This record gives sequence, structure tokens and C-alpha cells, in this order.
Amino acid sequence: KQEVTQIPAALSVPEGENLVLNCSFTDSAIYNLQWFRQDPGKGLTSLLLIQSSQREQTSGRLNASLDKSSGRSTLYIAASQPGDSATYLCAVRGGNKLVFGAGTILRVKS
Amino acid sequence: EAGVTQSPTHLIKTRGQQATLRCSPISGHTSVYWYQQALGLGLQFLLWYDEGEERNRGNFPPRFSGRQFPNYSSELNVNALELEDSALYLCASSLYREGKLFFGSGTQLSVL
Repeated sequence: KQEVTQIPAALSVPEGENLVLNCSFTDSAIYNLQWFRQDPGKGLTSLLLIQSSQREQTSGRLNASLDKSSGRSTLYIAASQPGDSATYLCAVRGGNKLVFGAGTILRVKS
Repeated sequence: EAGVTQSPTHLIKTRGQQATLRCSPISGHTSVYWYQQALGLGLQFLLWYDEGEERNRGNFPPRFSGRQFPNYSSELNVNALELEDSALYLCASSLYREGKLFFGSGTQLSVL
């Protein structure tokens, strides 16, 4: 059974800092891994999708890496801004399931 | 291009009633997923439909059911509502089975 863990559960940083969010999974037989952000009471916004054959994906200030063999992914956010404050979730797709982590609550202070 | 749309935005019901939630996927997407997100909890997988068929189901009682229509829109039905069914219900769609997932804004169901 696939289990997805996100560390840290919460993170508070001053504006401008670079930061790393971690996602680990127990079963390396995956199709892909996707990072999302969720604002309170809202749906999820897709940030990056990494296929199992890829090592990383970049979009603007975001960079996500995937190490399938060790069951880890990181989301790097450069030069954080208050607008980045949200919950960040990773989701791992394998077989016929998409399993979400519990998320990291990020607060960027101005 | 329209994203995933869900209706209604909010739904208030009483215990024992039935609720029907609707989802329209992005045009061309054939896979639809339903998730429950209770307050303070993570996303719990409910149902996955693809090409009109139920492909997988999460650990929820049979009173949670749904279907996918020929136009790939989907409906989630919750019978005999209980207080703990109060949650944000999110629908997502993807172009193909392993494709990128796009979420709607959700339906906030409150059971009184």
C-alpha cells in the first residue's frame, strides 16, 4: 500500500527566503508525481507534474525533483513571497490510485 | 478553455437526507476523480471514473455512489447523510489515466 509523507507539516519563513518542501513515498513503482497548492477552502491548483522517467521539472520560481529509487521528491521555492502562503500537497500516481500526502502548510511573512 | 466546474458551490442538508454533487470535466478529459476533504484532514479518495466506467473506489460505505455520463460529466450521490459527511468534496479530471490532474473549486457540504 502506497503511503505518502510530507515534511515539514508546517513552515513559517520570512519573505525572500529559498525553501524546500519534502515528499516521500513507500512504493517506487509510480507513473508520476504531482505537486499542488491549496488555498483555504479552495480547490487544488496544479504546480508541477514529474513523470517517473524524469528527474525534475521547473516552472518560474518552482523546481521539483524526483528520485524514484529512494522514494523522494522535493519542491524548491526560490525567493518566497507572501502570496506563496498556502498548503502544498504532493500526490503520487501508481497503478489505479492517486495517493496524496497530508500537505505542508507554508506561511511567508512580509 | 473552461476548467473543471462543480455545482453547487455550497450545499446544506440535514441528517438522513440525500445529496447530489455534480462535476463537469475539462473538455476532452475522460477521467473524473472524486475526493473528500474533511476539516483538518487530508484528501481521501472516493471514486475514479474513466470512459464511463467505475475504475476504482476508496474505503467509503456504499451510501457513497456515483456515475459518469456519456459526455464524461459525473455525479456523486451521498445517501442517508451523517454529520461526519460534512466536508469539501473535490472533483478532478485528467486527459488520460496517467495525465495531469486538474481540480475544481469544490462543493462544501454541510450536514446539520
